[in-house]
Formats: sequence, C-alpha cells, structure tokens
Amino acid sequence: AQSVTQLDSQVPVFEEAPVELRCNYSSSVSVYLFWYVQYPNQGLQLLLKYLSGSTLVKGINGFEAEFNKSQTSFHLRKPSVHISDTAEYFCAVSEAGADGLTFGKGTHLIIQP
Amino acid sequence: NAGVTQTPKFRVLKTGQSMTLLCAQDMNHEYMYWYRQDPGMGLRLIHYSVGEGTTAKGEVPDGYNVSRLKKQNFLLGLESAAPSQTSVYFCASSYSTGAGGYTFGSGTRLTVV
Repeated sequence: AQSVTQLDSQVPVFEEAPVELRCNYSSSVSVYLFWYVQYPNQGLQLLLKYLSGSTLVKGINGFEAEFNKSQTSFHLRKPSVHISDTAEYFCAVSEAGADGLTFGKGTHLIIQP
Repeated sequence: NAGVTQTPKFRVLKTGQSMTLLCAQDMNHEYMYWYRQDPGMGLRLIHYSVGEGTTAKGEVPDGYNVSRLKKQNFLLGLESAAPSQTSVYFCASSYSTGAGGYTFGSGTRLTVV
C-alpha cells in the first residue's frame, strides 16, 4: 500500500526567499505524484503533477517539483515566495488501479514579511 | 462548467441525528470519492466508487454509508452523528485511477454538537 510523509508540519520563510517543502512516499509499484494547495477556508487546487517523463515538473504560481525515484521523493520548490503563497500544501500519491489518492498530513507554509 | 458540486456547504448536527451529503459531477467520471479532512491529519479516504452501483470502503469508513445509484451522484450518509465526525468533507471524481484527472468539490464543513 502507498503512503506519503511530509516531513515538516510548518515551514516559516521570509518573503522573497526560496522555499522547499519535502515529500517522501512509499510504494511497491509505479506511482503518480501530486501537489495540492489549500488557501484558508477553501478547497484543494492542483499545483502540479508527475505522471511520467521528465522528472522536473513545473506547475502554477511559479512552483516546481522534482521526482527522485531512488530517494522516493517529490519535493516542491519555489525560488521566491510571496505573501500570497501562505497556505497549506499537500503531497499525494496514486498507483494505477489503486483506490484514489493517498495524502500526506500537509505542510503549512507561513510567509513572514 | 460546474465540475464537482457538494451540498450543503455548512451544517450543524446534534449528536445522534442523521444526514446525507450530496456530491454531483457533470464530467461523466466513473470514479468518485469521499474524503474527510481533520487538522494535522491531511485528507483520509472514507468510501469510494468505481462506477454506478458500486461502492467500497476506504481508510476510515466506520460510521458512514454511501450510495451511487446514478453515475453523476455519490451520497455520503451519517446514520447517527457523533462529535468525532466533526470535519470538513471533500468529494472528488476522476476518469480513471492512478493518473486520474482528479477534480475536487469545495467541501462541506460539518459540526456535530
């Protein structure tokens, strides 16, 4: 069965600084990987996804993530954050034939002015 | 272009009361899912359906029942609500498992007092 570990529950960072949100997964088969963002009191919005091909995936709002199969990681990065990036970020994994997405517990990104 | 619609958006129940949450999708997706979101726990799968007339248990099914009588609708029922079921509930649909194309609803905030 697949599982996802988001290593940090909170990440504080200053505005315009770079940020990396860490995600590790475990699975016995090929996986599909996703990052979602949830702004306060809102639903989930897809940031980016890895299905196959290039291991560097670019998403919306200047975010990107790199799939590393040997380290079973899918870390999310942004070179310069803005106050509007304050939100909860969820990493999720799925397998072909599996029952939906399995989510990590989330990382709260806090942008400090 | 509605996507996935959840009703109601908010509800307060007394312990022991029953209610049904409705999820409707207009994308002709085969697969539908119910998740609950609790602080620090991420999203956890309650039940899912792989097609009209089918349902299956997810990670946290106890205390909930579901039905998929029509392809576009997926109902989540609470027969006797408990305070532990206070949560935000999200419905999602997808055209396949794995790579998926998952679309989420905007959520239902349920409080059981």
